Amino acid sequence: EAQVTQNPRYLITVTGKKLTVTCSQNMNHEYMSWYRQDPGLGLRQIYYSMNVEVTDKGDVPEGYKVSRKEKRNFPLILESPSPNQTSLYFCASSFISSGRETQYFGPGTRLLVL
Amino acid sequence: QQQVKQSPQSLIVQKGGISIINCAYENTAFDYFPWYQQFPGKGPALLIAIRPDVSEKKEGRFTISFNKSAKQFSLHIMDSQPGDSATYFCAASIMPNTGNQFYFGTGTSLTVIP
Repeated sequence: EAQVTQNPRYLITVTGKKLTVTCSQNMNHEYMSWYRQDPGLGLRQIYYSMNVEVTDKGDVPEGYKVSRKEKRNFPLILESPSPNQTSLYFCASSFISSGRETQYFGPGTRLLVL
Repeated sequence: QQQVKQSPQSLIVQKGGISIINCAYENTAFDYFPWYQQFPGKGPALLIAIRPDVSEKKEGRFTISFNKSAKQFSLHIMDSQPGDSATYFCAASIMPNTGNQFYFGTGTSLTVIP
């Protein structure tokens, strides 16, 4: 089954404790992204990657890091989480065909930073 | 600064009615305009998308109308059904080759009353 998986799905942590949210896709997609979703703000792109070892900042990259060492994995790293990073996070992978880009989103990771 | 402005924030429609959600953008470099549907507890899913070379695209009960000169696009859901009750997001992007950055609207919560 084609899918994007994220782990963990729920996470409660404390300010300053480094954490990693994993993202994996089994569709051999080149493009992957991370978003955060906050009430009233919609989805905002944090980082995106066009291929292995190619990453770029999205709209709200501050406080986040990513890496793309393998095509299927795109982990999101919070080196020193702060309460304003409490949010719902989505990973997505996408492909382009016939001028249309189809993004597949993971199930989301709900993060609470105390 | 919101790159894509979406309205209304919430919408209530009778079953069988037409739901209309509007979006506006400023960056004329955007050349790909998708709409996403999100059910509670799930990630967004691509619903329909349009490129600026056409003014309308229809897929089943869902239609995108695109007005390039006004920099506006809208989603029309014909014969709205209770199963359409969800949050809808518009988005804008510049098709890859120059990047994979997506900008989302703030979302519209649609409720279809039986």
